[in-house]
Amino acid sequence: DADVTQTPRNRITKTGKRIMLECSQTKGHDRMYWYRQDPGLGLRLIYYSFDVKDINKGEISDGYSVSRQAQAKFSLSLESAIPNQTALYFCATSDSSGREQYFGPGTRLTVT
Amino acid sequence: AQSVTQLGSHVSVSEGALVLLRCNYSSSVPPYLFWYVQYPNQGLQLLLKYTSAATLVKGINDFEAEFKKSETSFHLTKPSAHMSDAAEYFCAVRGSGGYQKVTFGTGTKLQVIP
Repeated sequence: DADVTQTPRNRITKTGKRIMLECSQTKGHDRMYWYRQDPGLGLRLIYYSFDVKDINKGEISDGYSVSRQAQAKFSLSLESAIPNQTALYFCATSDSSGREQYFGPGTRLTVT
Repeated sequence: AQSVTQLGSHVSVSEGALVLLRCNYSSSVPPYLFWYVQYPNQGLQLLLKYTSAATLVKGINDFEAEFKKSETSFHLTKPSAHMSDAAEYFCAVRGSGGYQKVTFGTGTKLQVIP
């Protein structure tokens, strides 16, 4: 079984809808991250969490919110989706050293 | 502040030829450096990492990279390309002290021509 799982894997939604992307991990890591990937832009950090009570904004957090429900679960929400949030979203985890990140398979989100 | 520059968004090589993917970084603190690979419809997988030990780092699938501080480079090489190496490759940098976020390059898509 995969160490980092993301649901859904693909989602098409309409402008203005609320959507939640979920991430679960079985690696026992404290740190979790949400990134978005856009062609030609690489990966950009949206939010990161060092533990359940420690959540921090990344470089592109506007329009997004997160919830760390447990050590193993970290959800990303788009409160009111807009077309320029169409992207590939990745969840990642790392241990407390942060030296290596382990990525989920990604969620492809399309906002029409 | 830190940044990563990957030269060439697309690189094509013939099967069996040398693979060279270029990465230059800037960092205000001693860096940790990484190469990740992304196969189609998959997440990122770590190929190799430099964390201030040996400057020549060997990774999976015969990839290696050399940390050159004087050139601020961390180029990825493989002696002989396989068709299965076709993927997108990302260089990333992270500062070595305390919490430091990881900054990713914009990626290089490798095409292997039979």
